Amino acid sequence: GAGVSQTPSNKVTEKGKYVELRCDPISGHTALYWYRQSLGQGPEFLIYFQGTGAADDSGLPNDRFFAVRPEGSVSTLKIQRTERGDSAVYLCASSLGYKNTEAFFGQGTRLTVV
Amino acid sequence: SQQGEEDPQALSIQEGENATMNCSYKTSINNLQWYRQNSGRGLVHLILIRSNEREKHSGRLRVTLDTSKKSSSLLITASRAADTASYFCATGHDYKLSFGAGTTVTVRA
Repeated sequence: GAGVSQTPSNKVTEKGKYVELRCDPISGHTALYWYRQSLGQGPEFLIYFQGTGAADDSGLPNDRFFAVRPEGSVSTLKIQRTERGDSAVYLCASSLGYKNTEAFFGQGTRLTVV
Repeated sequence: SQQGEEDPQALSIQEGENATMNCSYKTSINNLQWYRQNSGRGLVHLILIRSNEREKHSGRLRVTLDTSKKSSSLLITASRAADTASYFCATGHDYKLSFGAGTTVTVRA
């Protein structure tokens, strides 16, 4: 596709359940990022992939959060034992991976934990 | 942690007026990027300015960067109702982008 695609657009889940959020980056982009945005705040960095490997996962809040990118393209963010505090918009971005290149974002997945 | 801080937090202007917002940051950067966000969803990339650049233009947008003061500004000229959105600056250091809390701009018809 032309841009970064994220699915689902919205996800409502019960507290304690497991969720997966998918990101399909722009073709040819080697770098992929996950961010989380709470209401009224700016996006907060979670994890960065360069190719298949997680080059920096320092932003993941705890071990309930995990992300993979097995073939260096599509990425999945996985959240176990969801909590109400996990409710936020999860944004994915991709870039060519070089310094000083633009990062392009998807429309995000709005996760609501009830 | 969020590096950039936008100022003001909110801005309301009349259609046709110019809108200026500022971004300050704390550490060294490779570049600074501005984004627009409508209704709390996807971020639209507006402009990237490198650390060795001082000014950049794109259509009705003008961005300045002063690395000695660790600050940047975004000017939107001749604003339109469609410019109503939140605007974020993001500092780029190596691969990582760090965002501020944004400026909410309302353009009144």
